[in-house]
Amino acid sequence: GAVVSQHPSWVICKSGTSVKIECRSLDFQATTMFWYRQFPKQSLMLMATSNEGSKATYEQGVEKDKFLINHASLTLSTLTVTSAHPEDSSFYICSARGLAGGANEQFFGPGTRLTVL
Amino acid sequence: QKEVEQDPGPLSVPEGAIVSLNCTYSNSAFQYFMWYRQYSRKGPELLMYTYSSGNKEDGRFTAQVDKSSKYISLFIRDSQPSDSATYLCALGNSGNTPLVFGKGTRLSVIA
Repeated sequence: GAVVSQHPSWVICKSGTSVKIECRSLDFQATTMFWYRQFPKQSLMLMATSNEGSKATYEQGVEKDKFLINHASLTLSTLTVTSAHPEDSSFYICSARGLAGGANEQFFGPGTRLTVL
Repeated sequence: QKEVEQDPGPLSVPEGAIVSLNCTYSNSAFQYFMWYRQYSRKGPELLMYTYSSGNKEDGRFTAQVDKSSKYISLFIRDSQPSDSATYLCALGNSGNTPLVFGKGTRLSVIA
């Protein structure tokens, strides 16, 4: 399958700081990228959908000013958690859909574990 | 009724057993069906992708779709301890709409 990378794989930060997570599709062009959050032993929660070059569409209850998403190119999307607080501690996973294999296949990155102290 | 229903388990089986994982759905507009495997603290990995009723086989894995009953299954033959993970079904429509995921079934294969 196609490869999606995320960086960093884990991050620890102080409350009030901002954290940027990068998501890259390594061997295909991602026309659409998705950002998910997952709490321990719970299912994936979709946060937002972004198409290259346009504004992200956020799910209900997700603050767009707190979770800034940029999809500047067909291979890169970033999620910035602004003014992070301990309740933002979670596992953040990006996913990409594009022109790899079947057009509707969606591939996930390895995830980023965020801990806010 | 939720769009996708999946029994969260946990499901525990002995090594070598045949495992059956299932999801039901309510929206007949879903056109394609996927199964993902997620190990602890890792991102989901795409296992199977299909868009028609019937069976699709890949090694020890078989995905089955019954659109008339709105029922999808993943079978794992000769299960191994390394198959221990959470398995998520995912359903999609055309276009750029997000996949709809089941809650995942936690599987443990005991040696």
